[in-house]
Amino acid sequence: VQLLESGGDLVQPGGSLRLSCAASGFTFRNYAFSWVRQAQGKGLEWVSGISGSADKTDYANSVTGRFTVSRDNSKNTLYLQMNSLRAEDTAIYYCAKHSGSFLALFDYWGQGTLVSVS
Amino acid sequence: DIQMTQSPSTLSASVGDRVTITCRASQSIGIWLAWYQQKPGKAPILLIYKASNLEGGVSSRFSGSGSGTEFTLTITSLQPDDFANYYCQHYNSFSGTFGQGTKVEV
Repeated sequence: VQLLESGGDLVQPGGSLRLSCAASGFTFRNYAFSWVRQAQGKGLEWVSGISGSADKTDYANSVTGRFTVSRDNSKNTLYLQMNSLRAEDTAIYYCAKHSGSFLALFDYWGQGTLVSVS
Repeated sequence: DIQMTQSPSTLSASVGDRVTITCRASQSIGIWLAWYQQKPGKAPILLIYKASNLEGGVSSRFSGSGSGTEFTLTITSLQPDDFANYYCQHYNSFSGTFGQGTKVEV
């Protein structure tokens, strides 16, 4: 199992960014995924999740209305579209594979991609 | 929303020690609790799920217990590789709630 995030960058407040997570080594469409972030020196914060077929999505209150999670099962890739970015969104963003089709138990994580809003 | 509170925030220990980290939920969560280990600059690693089940490949020095609102992670005979941050997580839904973390330091 490999998860490789990309797309992190330095962006101004109010700007947008799209993160990607390329997956390999397993049947991508069978698993739900989440984005989890971690600000420098801080703990882990669940951001958003999406089901295997993309028919269910969920968001943390802190990002609802600004972030959109999606996936392309033909490309084995997970996305996070981040709009109206704020300084408090600055963090390392990890994609995390659920152990199954629903519960947010994360058995594999990517290496993370850094988003800086300044 | 359910809140997860870990204690202590920092734990000082020595190689060979037995250490215990506690995680408390603001309301009963059954056994829907996981523990992760995270080293600086690295992604978290799943250690324990359903409160007491050891993830495959994880050392048997790690064990979890508890149910309802109080849970513990125990590391027996602490090894140099075990000095890290540890997080509990409640996960009975599509989303997850993490504790604030416990740093196990020398």
